[in-house]
Amino acid sequence: DVKVTQSSRYLVKRTGEKVFLECVQDMDHENMFWYRQDPGLGLRLIYFSYDVKMKEKGDIPEGYSVSREKKERFSLILESASTNQTSMYLCASSPTGFNQPQHFGDGTRLSIL
Amino acid sequence: AQSVTQPDIHITVSEGASLELRCNYSYGATPYLFWYVQSPGQGLQLLLKYFSGDTLVQGIKGFEAEFKRSQSSFNLRKPSVHWSDAAEYFCAVGARGATNKLIFGTGTLLAVQP
Repeated sequence: DVKVTQSSRYLVKRTGEKVFLECVQDMDHENMFWYRQDPGLGLRLIYFSYDVKMKEKGDIPEGYSVSREKKERFSLILESASTNQTSMYLCASSPTGFNQPQHFGDGTRLSIL
Repeated sequence: AQSVTQPDIHITVSEGASLELRCNYSYGATPYLFWYVQSPGQGLQLLLKYFSGDTLVQGIKGFEAEFKRSQSSFNLRKPSVHWSDAAEYFCAVGARGATNKLIFGTGTLLAVQP
């Protein structure tokens, strides 16, 4: 089974802090994704990466950056955390090619105080 | 532009009753369609997917979905709901291309009454 592991289930940070959310997958997938999930809004794509050191903006990239130095690891960075970034963050991965579903981690619930 | 609409935000059914969750999509060609389930405090788990061929697809946990091109719909069904099916359900359409981006609906929260 594909395993996507997010480093923290719950995280509490303060406004203005630089926050790192880590995601690791064990199936050698080329594609990795970061979403945020908010009630009534579903999942919104923040960034995705289709190869090491390659990244593309999703629908809501403002206030975020990402890093992919190794194929199995994809990090989401909140450069200066703000209260409106309090949310559930989900990481996913998928292999390259048509018809490939995404596999999700259990999520990180982030609170910015 | 691609989009997915799940018109029901919240649905309550009795245990043992049948279930249908609605999903409508907007896409210019034959879509890739997915249903995911999210149990409380968990990530999303794939229930089933449709790419081509038979319009009735079977998934895990006794779920099925039917693709209807004329109605731009991909509704999820289960003949008899169990209490453990209480969760949030997301429909998604796949964007063409090697990156496999997905466009998600806003979800339907299912409650199951004993």
